[in-house]
Amino acid sequence: DVKVTQSSRYLVKRTGEKVFLECVQDMDHENMFWYRQDPGLGLRLIYFSYDVKMKEKGDIPEGYSVSREKKERFSLILESASTNQTSMYLCASSSPAGTVSPFGSGTRLTVV
Amino acid sequence: AQTVTQSQPEMSVQEAETVTLSCTYDTSENNYYLFWYKQPPSRQMILVIRQEAYKQQNATENRFSVNFQKAAKSFSLKISDSQLGDTAMYFCAFMAYNTDKLIFGTGTRLQVFP
Repeated sequence: DVKVTQSSRYLVKRTGEKVFLECVQDMDHENMFWYRQDPGLGLRLIYFSYDVKMKEKGDIPEGYSVSREKKERFSLILESASTNQTSMYLCASSSPAGTVSPFGSGTRLTVV
Repeated sequence: AQTVTQSQPEMSVQEAETVTLSCTYDTSENNYYLFWYKQPPSRQMILVIRQEAYKQQNATENRFSVNFQKAAKSFSLKISDSQLGDTAMYFCAFMAYNTDKLIFGTGTRLQVFP
C-alpha cells in the first residue's frame, strides 16, 4: 500500500524554536507538497517541490522554508516558531499526472 | 486567481439516504481538473473522485458521482446509499493543467446518522 508518512502526529513547541516537520513518500513521485489546514480556511499551499533540490513558494510561504535533499523526503522548517503557526500540517505527493495523492495523516503543531 | 467555494459548512444525512454537497469555482482557465477529497477523523485525506474539465461525462466511483456544469462553474458531489463510514470532512479542489497545485474550498462536514 503506497503512502506518505509524516514523522509526528502531534507536536508541541515553544515560541522561537526551530521546528522540523518531516515527510517521506515511497512511490518515487517527483512532486511533493506541504499544506496548512485551518478551520474555515481549508488547505493552503505553503511550498512545493518538483524535483530534488527544487522548491517553489506556494500561497503562504512566509515564516517557512523547505528542504528536499532526497527524492523521497521533503522537510518543512519553521525557522522561529510563532503562535500563529499553530495548525495542522499535511504533506502530499504526486507524479505529473494531474492528481495529488496520497496525503499524509497530518501533524498537529501547537506553538506555546 | 482561482477560487473554490463550498457554501455548506455542515450537512447531515440518514444512513442509506442520498446527499449532495455543493461546490462552485471561479477560473479563467479552460483546461483544468476538479476533485473531491474526504478527510475522516483519522485525518488522512483520501481522493474520492476526479473530473477532467474537457470531459462532458460526469465522473462516478461506486456510490459517489458528480454533477459537473462547466458553464455554471459548478461541481457537486452526490453520495448515494450513505454509510456511517462516509462521516467526514469533504473538500472540493481545483487544479489548472500542468500545475499540480491544488486550490481547496473550506470544506463541508458531513455527518451520517444511523
